[in-house]
Amino acid sequence: DSGVTQTPKHLITATGQRVTLRCSPRSGDLSVYWYQQSLDQGLQFLIQYYNGEERAKGNILERFSAQQFPDLHSELNLSSLELGDSALYFCASSVGITNEKLFFGSGTQLSVL
Amino acid sequence: SQKIEQNSEALNIQEGKTATLTCNYTNYSPAYLQWYRQDPGRGPVFLLLIRENEKEKRKERLKVTFDTTLKQSLFHITASQPADSATYLCALGSGGFKTIFGAGTRLFVKA
Repeated sequence: DSGVTQTPKHLITATGQRVTLRCSPRSGDLSVYWYQQSLDQGLQFLIQYYNGEERAKGNILERFSAQQFPDLHSELNLSSLELGDSALYFCASSVGITNEKLFFGSGTQLSVL
Repeated sequence: SQKIEQNSEALNIQEGKTATLTCNYTNYSPAYLQWYRQDPGRGPVFLLLIRENEKEKRKERLKVTFDTTLKQSLFHITASQPADSATYLCALGSGGFKTIFGAGTRLFVKA
């Protein structure tokens, strides 16, 4: 158990809909990262937050947004969903800001039908 | 653009042998390189981190080398066991910027 909690584990929705994925980092970790993993793309970095502030942005679509709350949990919002958004979404956390030694949650499997 | 290459073909080895996985990268000068293990349907698990000024690092049956001139890292699992069967991901990082992952190499260890 990594100590990172992601909910829900599975999400099935339709095109055009909006969903919210939730992540609680390990106790004491200030950084939260979101990654998308699909069969043909591998693990793609979306965004990082550090202590409530956006720290780095990767290949995150404009339809996607995220935030980190004062209690350090984070939410990833995906809107206007398309079939191609179907993937495994991982949250990871680390103690500091430097992306070293990431602890991953078990992921949310999103299926857009 | 930055690119990480790992063997896309699965690696099949016999129990007890040493597994060697390769990670090559281009257009990047990482401050450190990490290896993660991922089992099907699970999140990656951190294994080892090696910095640019380190040539080799060991942890139990695991050994990682890092050659910044060749832009390559080798990941070795000695005395491999069926329980070592998984996908192994290489990841590059530099300071506070995003960590980039390779697509991973699947390892199968046969008893």
